[in-house]
Amino acid sequence: DAKTTQPNSMESNEEEPVHLPCNHSTISGTDYIHWYRQLPSQGPEYVIHGLTSNVNNRMASLAIAEDRKSSTLILHRATLRDAAVYYCILRDGSSNTGKLIFGQGTTLQVKP
Amino acid sequence: NAGVTQTPKFRVLKTGQSMTLLCAQDMNHEYMYWYRQDPGMGLRLIHYSVGEGTTAKGEVPDGYNVSRLKKQNFLLGLESAAPSQTSVYFCASSYLGGVQETQYFGPGTRLLVL
Repeated sequence: DAKTTQPNSMESNEEEPVHLPCNHSTISGTDYIHWYRQLPSQGPEYVIHGLTSNVNNRMASLAIAEDRKSSTLILHRATLRDAAVYYCILRDGSSNTGKLIFGQGTTLQVKP
Repeated sequence: NAGVTQTPKFRVLKTGQSMTLLCAQDMNHEYMYWYRQDPGMGLRLIHYSVGEGTTAKGEVPDGYNVSRLKKQNFLLGLESAAPSQTSVYFCASSYLGGVQETQYFGPGTRLLVL
């Protein structure tokens, strides 16, 4: 499975945008980029995913580089509730096992 | 709609004891997964199931057994608990296993093995 690299931690101020980077230089053409987050003492929850084009949903936006070797999760206005560990995960499009391979993720702190 | 539920929430075991963790989902999902999370780490897949009556090994299956006798339930068993199995265990489910499927996670079971 292709690997992702994320910063260990980031800080943000409340109500400001947050850009969480992810490098995946060995991504293959069939790999989808998924983001999950884990709030304190909870199970992970899905945030967003994409293949080539930028994606938006009610939670966040996903910006994917043209060469697909990196991506950025964008939280448009961080709230205190967004403090969590954010995981960038590559999922092989040719596989139907559904397995998620979690790295260590980025711990996001949001300051009031 | 309860989603994914896990029983128990917390358990303390002595080395060598056995226990079963129960995961239940009410979303009619075919796929179910068991992960473990050690402090400061991401989740690692223990076992998974692609449908009722089927199970398969994940990344770290040793020391665990699973069963999927009913579609809505996925059981994780520890036959002889070891301190190295102290962890938080998460169950997840998805409708199918396709690359665009979302996995829904339970709240976790904290297990301490003394």
